[in-house]
Amino acid sequence: EDQVTQSPEALRLQEGESSSLNCSYTVSGLRGLFWYRQDPGKGPEFLFTLYSAGEEKEKERLKATLTKKESFLHITAPKPEDSATYLCAVRPTGSSASKIIFGSGTRLSIRP
Amino acid sequence: GAVVSQHPSRVICKSGTSVKIECRSLDFQATTMFWYRQFPKQSLMLMATSNEGSKATYEQGVEKDKFLINHASLTLSTLTVTSAHPEDSSFYICSAPGLAGGLDTQYFGPGTRLTVL
Repeated sequence: EDQVTQSPEALRLQEGESSSLNCSYTVSGLRGLFWYRQDPGKGPEFLFTLYSAGEEKEKERLKATLTKKESFLHITAPKPEDSATYLCAVRPTGSSASKIIFGSGTRLSIRP
Repeated sequence: GAVVSQHPSRVICKSGTSVKIECRSLDFQATTMFWYRQFPKQSLMLMATSNEGSKATYEQGVEKDKFLINHASLTLSTLTVTSAHPEDSSFYICSAPGLAGGLDTQYFGPGTRLTVL
């Protein structure tokens, strides 16, 4: 069964304290892995697409990496405005019509 | 990226009434849209896939007669929660596929907060 697991469930950091969020996945084949950011009371906002092991994508203080079993979202010198829930999702090969599987998310809180 | 809107953003209704939520793709056509439900501090749960011009495909455990989906045009899908009860209170989010880096992903609406009294 295709599955996505994110850890930790919640993470509290001091402003400027770098860290990483983990997304482990089990799929028969991977077409793509996505990272989203979700603010409270809002829909998820697309961040990155990763296709293959070794690939990296960056956006401001965020960098996403991918291996054959997991993805990391590295956050460098975070600011309070980076506080949000970060969702990882995968699109398995053979999945129909853009259907993707979400992990449970990591709630990130950055203290000033 | 693609823009998806939802209306209303928030609705409060009495138990037993029906509530309709609209999902629109603003700058692109979407033959497929997705409806999710999200409880506090939990991830998104896919409820159904909405298909333009045909019946929706529901996920296991989702009641078709309770959550009516209509995808009447290439830019509009609606979700009607029929005879709503307090346990239907939740955050409902729709999404539509779009290209991101050459691969289909999903772009999400802002969500609708439903509270059933």
